[in-house]
Amino acid sequence: AQTVTQSQPEMSVQEAETVTLSCTYDTSESDYYLFWYKQPPSRQMILVIRQEAYKQQNATENRFSVNFQKAAKSFSLKISDSQLGDAAMYFCAYMKNDMRFGAGTRLTVKP
Amino acid sequence: KAGVTQTPRYLIKTRGQQVTLSCSPISGHRSVSWYQQTPGQGLQFLFEYFSETQRNKGNFPGRFSGRQFSNSRSEMNVSTLELGDSALYLCASSLGPINSPLHFGNGTRLTVT
Repeated sequence: AQTVTQSQPEMSVQEAETVTLSCTYDTSESDYYLFWYKQPPSRQMILVIRQEAYKQQNATENRFSVNFQKAAKSFSLKISDSQLGDAAMYFCAYMKNDMRFGAGTRLTVKP
Repeated sequence: KAGVTQTPRYLIKTRGQQVTLSCSPISGHRSVSWYQQTPGQGLQFLFEYFSETQRNKGNFPGRFSGRQFSNSRSEMNVSTLELGDSALYLCASSLGPINSPLHFGNGTRLTVT
């Protein structure tokens, strides 16, 4: 079974600085998709970034980028120039036939 | 374009009752999936429907069921409610291909007393 592990229950970052959230996963598949979702207090899950496993190039979306290490089964999220609005729960997710989520990392942004 | 709409936003039920939750996907989306979110178990996949057919199913008991209508709207039903069913139930829609990004609704908060 595929499992997703987020080893950091909580992280904190100063506004305008950079923070990296960790995610590892376990799978025997070679073709799959990885996602980072953000869940603010409003409860709605918002897609942050997506990575196809067959692509070697790391995905980037504005201030968000990933470090995808397929052999190590690692998929970390880097948030640059952190903003107060980035404060939320962040979930790493693996998708093959269905989506499996990690336990989440609560990110606090300090002004 | 309107987002994913879930109704109701809050529900309070007693043990043994049944409940039906509704989800209206984004226009043009043909896949709807359901997730249960609890502090202890996190986000867990319930099932996914595509073109009115259940395409994938998670590891939940048969008390949890769902269906999808021809307009892609979906309902989830939980029968014989237990205290442990108290959770945030999230619905997500996507265009349809397995790798399509999910777009989530705001969820229905179910409390079982």
